[in-house]
Parts: sequence; C-alpha cells; structure tokens
Amino acid sequence: SQQGEEDPQALSIQEGENATMNCSYKTSINNLQWYRQNSGRGLVHLILIRSNEREKHSGRLRVTLDTSKKSSSLLITASRAADTASYFCATVNAGGTSYGKLTFGQGTILTVHP
Amino acid sequence: DGGITQSPKYLFRKEGQNVTLSCEQNLNHDAMYWYRQDPGQGLRLIYYSQIVNDFQKGDIAEGYSVSREKKESFPLTVTSAQKNPTAFYLCASAGGGVAKNIQYFGAGTRLSVL
Repeated sequence: SQQGEEDPQALSIQEGENATMNCSYKTSINNLQWYRQNSGRGLVHLILIRSNEREKHSGRLRVTLDTSKKSSSLLITASRAADTASYFCATVNAGGTSYGKLTFGQGTILTVHP
Repeated sequence: DGGITQSPKYLFRKEGQNVTLSCEQNLNHDAMYWYRQDPGQGLRLIYYSQIVNDFQKGDIAEGYSVSREKKESFPLTVTSAQKNPTAFYLCASAGGGVAKNIQYFGAGTRLSVL
C-alpha cells in the first residue's frame, strides 16, 4: 500500500529557482527518506531524517519533518537542469523489522528549464 | 547504480511463460528487495529477504516467486499466474549498522508482454 502522498505531482521551474516538494504519510514512522530517480533508471538515496529530527541539510537539499502533521518537505535550492528527475519520499514504519521496509509515495516529477 | 546489477535490461514474456529477472550485489548486504513500478507510480514491494535462505512476501507477491540461496543473488521469477506483468522492476539491497534503512538500487529491468 502507498503510505506517502506527494504534492505536487509535477513541478516545472527555471534554473536558479528553488523547488519545494511535500510528502504526507499516515502511520508512525522510524524515519523518512527522499530518493531521486532519473527517467528509466534506478533510485538514488538523497537524505534520511529520523523521527526525532526536525530539519536536515545536505548540500543544496533541505528536508523538514513535522511528525505532528505527518508531513515532510524537500527543498532544492538554486536548482539546475541536472536536477530534472522524479523525487520520491519513503517511510520506514516505527517498530519495524531489523532491516527497514520502505513504503514509497507516488513521486513528484521535477523539470528544471535551462 | 552502485554495486547492484540487474539483467536483462529489457525482457519480453510470451503468454503462459515464466521469466526470471536477475539481481546480483557485491556490497555484502544482508537485505535484498524487489519492487514493481508502473508508469507514473511509486514503487510497490513484491518480496524481500533479510538473510540467506529466508524471504517474506511484500504487498503484491501474487504471481511472483523468489529464492535467496546466496547472499549476493536474489532472482525474481514472474510466473504465468501474474496476469499483468508489464512494468519496470527494481532490485535493491541494504546493509547493516547505521545505514541499515538506506536502500541501494539497480538500474532496473523493463518487462513487456508479447
């Protein structure tokens, strides 16, 4: 079943602008992750935020987590054409097995125009 | 795509035929996963394995089978019972320690029905 719902489904911006994607989920989580997928390729892990964290940064990426609202956002600053891809949030449920079972959202398609 | 190799890249299945998708990893990871991705959708978990000779059903296991005889290998068979097999199939693995929830993906196999 799909835990996460992402918003917007598609986002089109100009190079240099910031891109914000949102993810909502339904159950208590251990952590939330963001992955990127270039067209027709596998997913690449971007960043993980634990349930007791509120914000995390990695390069041009900023992730926030609000467990009271069961939502997260991914901000990509100063976007580049090479950031064009689909972005997925994925959650690991609280109390899960030793190796996390990820539940993915449906993704946001980001297009950055040069 | 890290140390995970999926083959073939494209596969065609005739009606009534079983086909096997290969997934090999050289990351020494204990856990391995199979996902199905339909156009414009997120990933859905088919099967996963946390240790050699053991595996569990995911959310959409019907019509699929797996084996885990070696740590490096987790092949997926799409059986004739799977009536709608056309999709993009992704294999992933996860290691232990602090990164146990982070999954590393192969490049995928695109399966079509003739």
